[in-house]
Amino acid sequence: AQTVTQSQPEMSVQEAETVTLSCTYDTSESDYYLFWYKQPPSRQMILVIRQEAYKQQNATENRFSVNFQKAAKSFSLKISDSQLGDAAMYFCAYRSNNNDMRFGAGTRLTVKP
Amino acid sequence: EPEVTQTPSHQVTQMGQEVILRCVPISNHLYFYWYRQILGQKVEFLVSFYNNEISEKSEIFDDQFSVERPDGSNFTLKIRSTKLEDSAMYFCASTRQTNQPQHFGDGTRLSIL
Repeated sequence: AQTVTQSQPEMSVQEAETVTLSCTYDTSESDYYLFWYKQPPSRQMILVIRQEAYKQQNATENRFSVNFQKAAKSFSLKISDSQLGDAAMYFCAYRSNNNDMRFGAGTRLTVKP
Repeated sequence: EPEVTQTPSHQVTQMGQEVILRCVPISNHLYFYWYRQILGQKVEFLVSFYNNEISEKSEIFDDQFSVERPDGSNFTLKIRSTKLEDSAMYFCASTRQTNQPQHFGDGTRLSIL
């Protein structure tokens, strides 16, 4: 079974600084998708960024980028120029070809003004 | 932008009662999902649904649970004989293709008394 591990229950960053959230996963599949979702206090699940496993190039969305290391099964999220609105729970997620999606336990990000 | 909508936003039910959580996926989406998030814990996959049948389900999705697409727009999760431990946030999600991100609704907070 695929598992997703987020080893940082909580992280803190100063406004305008950069923070990296860690995620590792375990799978025997070669083709899959990885996602980072943001969950603010309102409890919505908001897609931040996605990565297809067959793509070597790391995905980037504005201030958000990933460091995808397929061999190491690592998928970290970097948030640059952190803003107060970035404060939320961040979930790393893995989706296999059978469409089953697994989430990590989440990392609570605090942004200090 | 089209959204996944869930109703109600908060449902309070007596233990042992049946509850139906409703979702309206994005109209041209073909794959539908339910997830559960117990307070303070990670998001857990319950079930995926395609072509009017369950395509995948987790060990959580036992005989107490059922899903249905009663018409062309709604996708429901029924929980029979609710238990205290069913209290959680339930998220519905949908996607048009399996290689596309899932779009989440805002969730229904289910409280079992």
